[in-house]
Amino acid sequence: QLQLQESGPGLVKPSETLSLTCAVSGGSISRTTYYWVWIRQPPGMGLEWIGSIFYTGSTYYKPSLKRRVTMSVDTSKNHFSLKLTSVTAADTALYYCARRYIVTHRFDPWGQGTLVTVSS
Amino acid sequence: NFVLTQPHSVSESPGKTVTISCTRSSGSIASNYVQWYQQRPDSAPTTVIYEDNQRPSGVPDRFSGSIDRSSNSASLTISGLKTEDEADYYCQSFDRIMDVFGTGTKVTVL
Repeated sequence: QLQLQESGPGLVKPSETLSLTCAVSGGSISRTTYYWVWIRQPPGMGLEWIGSIFYTGSTYYKPSLKRRVTMSVDTSKNHFSLKLTSVTAADTALYYCARRYIVTHRFDPWGQGTLVTVSS
Repeated sequence: NFVLTQPHSVSESPGKTVTISCTRSSGSIASNYVQWYQQRPDSAPTTVIYEDNQRPSGVPDRFSGSIDRSSNSASLTISGLKTEDEADYYCQSFDRIMDVFGTGTKVTVL
């Protein structure tokens, strides 16, 4: 059974870079039928897609975040990562990683999420 | 870019039926699959409907999904409402370059 687990600092200072990793277990990240995604949810608010990455490194980012977002994949470690630069309080959120079906864009399964707070 | 708009909240008594709409602002709702996710408090979302109207194994047949081209919207219907259905529900779809989540609907079982 595929499982995803987010990890990274829970506190980031304003203007610095948020860095998270999603470890994939129970299956290979190099499957050609899936993308791998980051999604976030500010406290008490809705879900926001951040971006998607294929095992080859091909990426799609939300246009409004594109200038600050970089996603990468490490097939040898079976994990993928997110970097978000120049963070502000508005980037405080629960960050989820998930698998995305390549054709249908279904997100399943999801990681449990990791809370990142931006504060000095 | 497009937006998926959902009602902020719906409420109904146990045993009744609720329907949540998801209206796409531009582009055809039928052009790209719609998924529906259930999010209980302090939990990650899980799929209740995928590919417009398909149920994952383990999701009861009280959950159903549909597409209406005339209103450019998708709908999630929960029949025989149970207290365990109380949660937030999000639709999700996509276009050529991005994925979009709906604004979310809180379902309250009275």
